[in-house]
Amino acid sequence: AQKITQTQPGMFVQEKEAVTLDCTYDTSDPSYGLFWYKQPSSGEMIFLIYQGSYDQQNATEGRYSLNFQKARKSANLVISASQLGDSAMYFCAMTHQGGSEKLVFGKGTKLTVNP
Amino acid sequence: GAVVSQHPSRVICKSGTSVKIECRSLDFQATTMFWYRQFPKQSLMLMATSNEGSKATYEQGVEKDKFLINHASLTLSTLTVTSAHPEDSSFYICSARETGRTGTYEQYFGPGTRLTVT
Repeated sequence: AQKITQTQPGMFVQEKEAVTLDCTYDTSDPSYGLFWYKQPSSGEMIFLIYQGSYDQQNATEGRYSLNFQKARKSANLVISASQLGDSAMYFCAMTHQGGSEKLVFGKGTKLTVNP
Repeated sequence: GAVVSQHPSRVICKSGTSVKIECRSLDFQATTMFWYRQFPKQSLMLMATSNEGSKATYEQGVEKDKFLINHASLTLSTLTVTSAHPEDSSFYICSARETGRTGTYEQYFGPGTRLTVT
């Protein structure tokens, strides 16, 4: 069974600094996708970034980058130049490609950006 | 584009009554939609996969007779919580994947529905 582990319940970062949110995964599928979502206090899930298991390069989307280390089964999210609006819950998730595309989520990390 | 709406956003109902939650893809067609439940300070847990024109696929431990899912069109899936009890109080979120877009992976999430059963 697929499993996502996020070991940091909470993280703090100073505004304008970079922060790394950890995510490790476990799967026996050779083909899978890894996602990061942001959930502000309002509740909606905001897609941030995606990494496919066969992608050779780490994904980047603006201030977000995904540090994909396949051998270690880790997919850490790096947020550069943190902003106050980045304060939210962050969830790592995975799905196996070619299947039903259902997502398995980690427990999340609450990020607080301090001014 | 790729907007998913949910209605209602908040609902309070009495124990024993049924509540219907709608999930609509506003500008795309979705053969498959997903229903998640999120308890306070916890992660999203997949409840079921909703397939247009066929029966939903429920995750282990989810009572299909309690959480009725209907996906009658390519833009609408409904979740009905039957005979609701206080323990059903939760945040329910749907997501949809756009039909026919090959090579895409993104699911679009609705804004969620907060259900409170008194």
